[in-house]
Amino acid sequence: AQSVTQPDIHITVSEGASLELRCNYSYGATPYLFWYVQSPGQGLQLLLKYFSGDTLVQGIKGFEAEFKRSQSSFSLTNPSLHWSDAAEYFCADTGGGNKLTFGTGTQLKVEL
Amino acid sequence: EPEVTQTPSHQVTQMGQEVILRCVPISNHLYFYWYRQILGQKVEFLVSFYNNEISEKSEIFDDQFSVERPDGSNFTLKIRSTKLEDSAMYFCASSEYRDTEAFFGQGTRLTVV
Repeated sequence: AQSVTQPDIHITVSEGASLELRCNYSYGATPYLFWYVQSPGQGLQLLLKYFSGDTLVQGIKGFEAEFKRSQSSFSLTNPSLHWSDAAEYFCADTGGGNKLTFGTGTQLKVEL
Repeated sequence: EPEVTQTPSHQVTQMGQEVILRCVPISNHLYFYWYRQILGQKVEFLVSFYNNEISEKSEIFDDQFSVERPDGSNFTLKIRSTKLEDSAMYFCASSEYRDTEAFFGQGTRLTVV
């Protein structure tokens, strides 16, 4: 069965520091990968997506992600965090279909 | 910017009661979804809906659940006889095509007491 793993449950980073959130997917065929962000009391907002092509994708709010097929990974990065980036981040995969399989999420805390 | 809207934002219901959660997907989208997130757990797929019928459903989506698109704009999730374990945040989502990104609503927090 399709699965998405986010190994980091909680991460704390200082404002202005860089961030990398890890994500590994299990589906064998070309994955359709997404990162969503959920701020407290809010819904899920799409940060970026990867379907094919360039393995480095740009998203909103200064976020990027890199697809590495050899490592089955899709890591989310940001070079300089703002306090407002504190939220929960979810990696997800559809495996080419339309059903999203989510990871367990990474709770990001940003210290001032 | 178009968005998915859900009502109500919070609902408290007694065990055994029926609830209907409502969603207005983005207008030109063709695929509609319900997901849920039990507190402290991951977001789980419930059902997808296309062309006025269910296209896929999860094991969670048993006979107590149903979905409907009663008119050209609304998409509803009905739980016939709620259980305590149905307490969760329910998210509606829509996508333009089968393999394009899904946009989510703000969620309805359902509490069954």
